[in-house]
Amino acid sequence: AQTVTQSQPEMSVQEAETVTLSCTYDTSESDYYLFWYKQPPSRQMILVIRQEAYKQQNATENRFSVNFQKAAKSFSLKISDSQLGDAAMYFCACLIQGAQKLVFGQGTRLTINP
Amino acid sequence: EADIYQTPRYLVIGTGKKITLECSQTMGHDKMYWYQQDPGMELHLIHYSYGVNSTEKGDLSSESTVSRIRTEHFPLTLESARPSHTSQYLCASGLGGAGTEQYFGPGTRLTVT
Repeated sequence: AQTVTQSQPEMSVQEAETVTLSCTYDTSESDYYLFWYKQPPSRQMILVIRQEAYKQQNATENRFSVNFQKAAKSFSLKISDSQLGDAAMYFCACLIQGAQKLVFGQGTRLTINP
Repeated sequence: EADIYQTPRYLVIGTGKKITLECSQTMGHDKMYWYQQDPGMELHLIHYSYGVNSTEKGDLSSESTVSRIRTEHFPLTLESARPSHTSQYLCASGLGGAGTEQYFGPGTRLTVT
């Protein structure tokens, strides 16, 4: 069975600075996908960024980028130029190709200090 | 935001009552999912569906049941609510292709007294 671990229950960062959220996962499958989802307070969960395991290049979406280390099974999220609207719970998740089921980590609560 | 809706958003109900949490999506997605999430905690899959008349239990055991009679509708029912059912319930849908994302509804926060 696959597992996803987020070892940082809470993180905080000053506005405009950079923060990195950690995620490790464990799977014996070779074909899988990794996601970071954002859940703002009292709002819908939305996708932040997606990484295909077969791609070596790290995914980037504007201020959000990942550091995907396949051998180490690590998938961290870097948020550059943090904004107040980035404050949320962030969940790392893994999807095994064919299983169609997401496995989530425990979440990291990110606070942005003005 | 995604076109996936959940009602009610908040529900406080007494022990023993039967409740149905509604979920609907207008994106034509075949795959739909129900997750249970305690406040500030991870999501656990409790039910999923790959299409009409298809339902499966998820990784977390749940006393709830689901049905999928129409593509756009995936309601969750608790026959007899208990305080242990107090939680947030999130509905999601997706195309289900390789690595495609799931779109989440706003959630129903259920409190059973």
